Amino acid sequence: EAGVTQSPTHLIKTRGQQATLRCSPISGHTSVYWYQQALGLGLQFLLWYDEGEERNRGNFPPRFSGRQFPNYSSELNVNALELEDSALYLCASSLAGQYTEAFFGQGTRLTVV
Amino acid sequence: KQEVTQIPAALSVPEGENLVLNCSFTDSAIYNLQWFRQDPGKGLTSLLLIQSSQREQTSGRLNASLDKSSGRSTLYIAASQPGDSATYLCAVKGGGADGLTFGKGTHLIIQP
Repeated sequence: EAGVTQSPTHLIKTRGQQATLRCSPISGHTSVYWYQQALGLGLQFLLWYDEGEERNRGNFPPRFSGRQFPNYSSELNVNALELEDSALYLCASSLAGQYTEAFFGQGTRLTVV
Repeated sequence: KQEVTQIPAALSVPEGENLVLNCSFTDSAIYNLQWFRQDPGKGLTSLLLIQSSQREQTSGRLNASLDKSSGRSTLYIAASQPGDSATYLCAVKGGGADGLTFGKGTHLIIQP
């Protein structure tokens, strides 16, 4: 069974551009979470989608946005890129409910120059 | 706001030793706690999931315990091997709908 897959693996963008990151959850999982792992800052919660709806977002500016498609895959968009957006972006999926296990993808390394 | 702390931040031990990694959290109203492993530049691999009603979970050489009332969890690694070298992350799913809250991790090096 395929795990959580993320694309692209690496992404290099110029300051001010937009970046789009994609995530395909494990089959049967309806919840998708996005996290940012910047150097020295640990994993920070970005967004949570479930059944196509945004359920919650972390303490990030509105230029971080996303959506979940009917097949439960998800997209993270980062507009007006800044140098400090350079980080590893991780996607996780889980079954619905609060007692479920989260499984992570391999991440997208975003570099803003 | 939930906060998770992991001690020590880094640990280097010779191969074959048994070791304990510690995790503490400030809000005991959690649903579950997960331990993850992260290799450099890679994603997270789930090692163990402990539900809030459980006291411990075991998988191979790994054993994780949970004391929800005191806000503590430990990950015990038996007979450590060089392949165990990685960063180990503890994360809790709390009462708020904000996904997992992570500690900053313990960077573990097992010397051959």
